[in-house]
Amino acid sequence: DIQMTQSPSSLSASVGDRVTITCRASQSISTYLNWYQQKPGEAPKFLIYGASTLQSGVPSRFSGSGSGTDFTLTISSLQAEDFATYYCQQSYSTVMYTFGQGTKLEIK
Amino acid sequence: QVQLQESGPGLVKPSETLSLTCTVSGGSMSNYYWSWIRQPPGKGLEWIGYVYDSGSTNYNPSLKSRVTISVDMSKNQFSLNLSSVTAADTAVYYCARAIYYYGSGRHLDYWGQGTLVTVSS
Repeated sequence: DIQMTQSPSSLSASVGDRVTITCRASQSISTYLNWYQQKPGEAPKFLIYGASTLQSGVPSRFSGSGSGTDFTLTISSLQAEDFATYYCQQSYSTVMYTFGQGTKLEIK
Repeated sequence: QVQLQESGPGLVKPSETLSLTCTVSGGSMSNYYWSWIRQPPGKGLEWIGYVYDSGSTNYNPSLKSRVTISVDMSKNQFSLNLSSVTAADTAVYYCARAIYYYGSGRHLDYWGQGTLVTVSS
C-alpha cells in the first residue's frame, strides 16, 4: 500500500501569512496527488488535482506543487475562511486510494 | 449542480450489517466512480471503495471481506453494505463522486454532507 504522510500535523498562523503544508508518499506517485479542505462539521471540499491544478472556483491564493514523492500545498495569504483541516490523497494506485492524516490549520 | 445525499440508520448493533444509500441529483451517474469514504470521530478520512456505472467495484483491502457497494442507475442511487460491524466502524460516512482525468487519476469532486453511524447495542 502507498502511505501518505503530512507535515506538520497542526499549524498555527495569522491572517495574511503564507503557509505551506507538505505531503510525502511512500513511493513515487508521479503527480497523482489531490488536496481537500475540511471545515468542522462539513464534508471535505476538493481543491487541487494532479498535484497543481486548481479546481474551478478555488481561490488563486491556493497552489500545489511537487511530483514523485514530495508535494506541497501553499496558501499565499491566509484568509479567515482558510482555517480548516487539509488532506492530501494519492490517486496513483487504482487498488487503494490513501489519504494523509490531515493538517489542522489554526488561528494564532 | 450535482448533489449527493446519504440516508440510512444512524444506529446499528454490533455484528449486524450497516446499510446506507446515496441519492444523486443534478447530473448523470454515467462515466463516474461512485465512492464511499468514512471518518471516525476526531480522526482522518478512510476510503472504503467505489462502484463504476457498469457495476464494477474496487474496495479498500482492509475492509474488502465485509464491504459491498452497488449501483442502481434507474434510481440514481448507490449503496454501501458493511457487515459484521463493531464499535470501530462508528464514523461519519460520506458518499462522493470520483471523476477520472487522464494523467492525474481519480479525484472526489462532489461529496454528500455525511451521516453519522454509531455501532452500539
